[in-house]
Amino acid sequence: KNQVEQSPQSLIILEGKNCTLQCNYTVSPFSNLRWYKQDTGRGPVSLTIMTFSENTKSNGRYTATLDADTKQSSLHITASQLSDSASYICVVTSKGTDKLIFGTGTRLQVFP
Amino acid sequence: DTAVSQTPKYLVTQMGNDKSIKCEQNLGHDTMYWYKQDSKKFLKIMFSYNNKELIINETVPNRFSPKSPDKAHLNLHINSLELGDSAVYFCASSYGEGLAGGEQYFGPGTRLTVT
Repeated sequence: KNQVEQSPQSLIILEGKNCTLQCNYTVSPFSNLRWYKQDTGRGPVSLTIMTFSENTKSNGRYTATLDADTKQSSLHITASQLSDSASYICVVTSKGTDKLIFGTGTRLQVFP
Repeated sequence: DTAVSQTPKYLVTQMGNDKSIKCEQNLGHDTMYWYKQDSKKFLKIMFSYNNKELIINETVPNRFSPKSPDKAHLNLHINSLELGDSAVYFCASSYGEGLAGGEQYFGPGTRLTVT
């Protein structure tokens, strides 16, 4: 069964600290993996999209990694800011069916 | 300046009513989607349209009927609303056919509450 699991479910950190969110998937065959940021009451916003051949991709203070062999991805946030408080959703697309499999997200709260 | 817009932002209605949610994108994208996000924040795709044609229809009750009058619009009509329909509905758009296409841009969501 195609699944995307994220950990931790929720995370609290202090402003300025780094953190890493995890995404494990069993989707096969694999097409791409996306990380989205969703602020409360808003629609998701794409942070990165990675294909099979890409190991790492950065978007400002956000760096995503992908290990297609172990089917794991991580999203590293550097020098966190209060505005990073949001839900982060990992989404894997299945090749061929083009089916999007969503993770349940990690709720990040950054405190001053 | 809005890329993907939805109306209304909030919708409160009684069971059994029929309601519509509208979506418009001004990005020139050829593919539009409807997603449902439940109380546990789990996002699930409902429909996808490419150039006004339905290309993805997940297992959704036939009370839900999408309508795409043109490439820039994808409306969602819901008949005989039920309590379980309460959720936030997101519209999105992208270039490229299928979900393996380009980056998706999401609207602000419509919070539907059925009482």
